[in-house]
Amino acid sequence: DAGITQSPRHKVTETGTPVTLRCHQTENHRYMYWYRQDPGHGLRLIHYSYGVKDTDKGEVSDGYSVSRSKTEDFLLTLESATSSQTSVYFCAISESATGSVSGNTIYFGEGSWLTVV
Amino acid sequence: DQQVKQNSPSLSVQEGRISILNCDYTNSMFDYFLWYKKYPAEGPTFLISISSIKDKNEDGRFTVFLNKSAKHLSLHIVPSQPGDSAVYFCAAIVRYNFNKFYFGSGTKLNVKP
Repeated sequence: DAGITQSPRHKVTETGTPVTLRCHQTENHRYMYWYRQDPGHGLRLIHYSYGVKDTDKGEVSDGYSVSRSKTEDFLLTLESATSSQTSVYFCAISESATGSVSGNTIYFGEGSWLTVV
Repeated sequence: DQQVKQNSPSLSVQEGRISILNCDYTNSMFDYFLWYKKYPAEGPTFLISISSIKDKNEDGRFTVFLNKSAKHLSLHIVPSQPGDSAVYFCAAIVRYNFNKFYFGSGTKLNVKP
């Protein structure tokens, strides 16, 4: 198993409150990602990081922000949670694609279930 | 607009038969394709992949076929086993472009004993 830890694994929060999900990796991989999984939509990229302090938006970034101050940690923040952000959130990692076969593979954490009521 | 599409949300197959899962993509720049399997309450796990320079890759019971002209790939599972019951996601990537992986919406495979 890839060394990816997500916390919290389950959270229920109220609309309008800020929420931060944490992803911690022990693989020293360059790339880190946050995806959300929803029925009928599969896995959609929220934000990703290609290095410390280097992040960019994915397909569904509205309402989310991220930070990566260390190689091993990638934080996803919902500034003001809404019911539409109820979802399962997956952190993922990959190595650099350049010259690395394993860089062509992305590894997922076990998911964080977020319910916004 | 989704760049990777799986148009069949579900598939039911008898144990021992072949399972064929399909995936279409729109971005001709994709040069690497992957299949992931996901069980409930777990993260997706890598299954098999194929480079755009190939049209077939085989790993045990799993074979992935790529038809670049049709922008279509498929995953064949032969023979299917009840333990294969899971959601299967196809994914595509443009390598050297920040490793952005694009996923389809998934196909839920049910293999009946």
